[in-house]
Amino acid sequence: GENVEQHPSTLSVQEGDSAVIKCTYSDSASNYFPWYKQELGKRPQLIIDIRSNVGEKKDQRIAVTLNKTAKHFSLHITETQPEDSAVYFCAASRGGGDNAGNMLTFGGGTRLMVKP
Amino acid sequence: SAVISQKPSRDICQRGTSLTIQCQVDSQVTMMFWYRQQPGQSLTLIATANQGSEATYESGFVIDKFPISRPNLTFSTLTVSNMSPEDSSIYLCSVDLQNYGYTFGSGTRLTVV
Repeated sequence: GENVEQHPSTLSVQEGDSAVIKCTYSDSASNYFPWYKQELGKRPQLIIDIRSNVGEKKDQRIAVTLNKTAKHFSLHITETQPEDSAVYFCAASRGGGDNAGNMLTFGGGTRLMVKP
Repeated sequence: SAVISQKPSRDICQRGTSLTIQCQVDSQVTMMFWYRQQPGQSLTLIATANQGSEATYESGFVIDKFPISRPNLTFSTLTVSNMSPEDSSIYLCSVDLQNYGYTFGSGTRLTVV
């Protein structure tokens, strides 16, 4: 089955700096890679996703890059703000957004702390 | 995106008892997924529930401990049976929505005493 590794487990940055979280996956058939933000006591919320037919996707201060050959993908947050402080999870699946029933496998999570 | 209603939001239960968690989606979905999130940990898939057939359980999870029902395309239940303190976790249902991706219910925070 799929195995997703995520690094670092904790990340502390100064407000305004950039933060980068990296994940690797093992299943070459995985083609959908979402990122979730989970604030304390709340459900994981999808913040951005990428499919294997593109190498990069950007949404305002958030971007995700994918290297299918190396089987790794990364989340980039620029101009970090204190409200970005949360736990971030990467995940991988053989499909997503297609109601086909493929499961998501999660990385171990990264606790991001943005210091004002 | 669809609305996923999950209840109860939290419960404190005595060891040896069972708790049934409900998940209702406002659109029809093929599969519903049940995850466990232990304190400070990531999400681990318990099982995948398909309407009209028995749920598929991941390694380490068994039907006797986590029976699942899926009576229709919008509803599922997960029961945590014969609970022990080690079952204290957040339990989340999830669905994969067309053109949106995977989204989660609000979770059930279970404490077993």
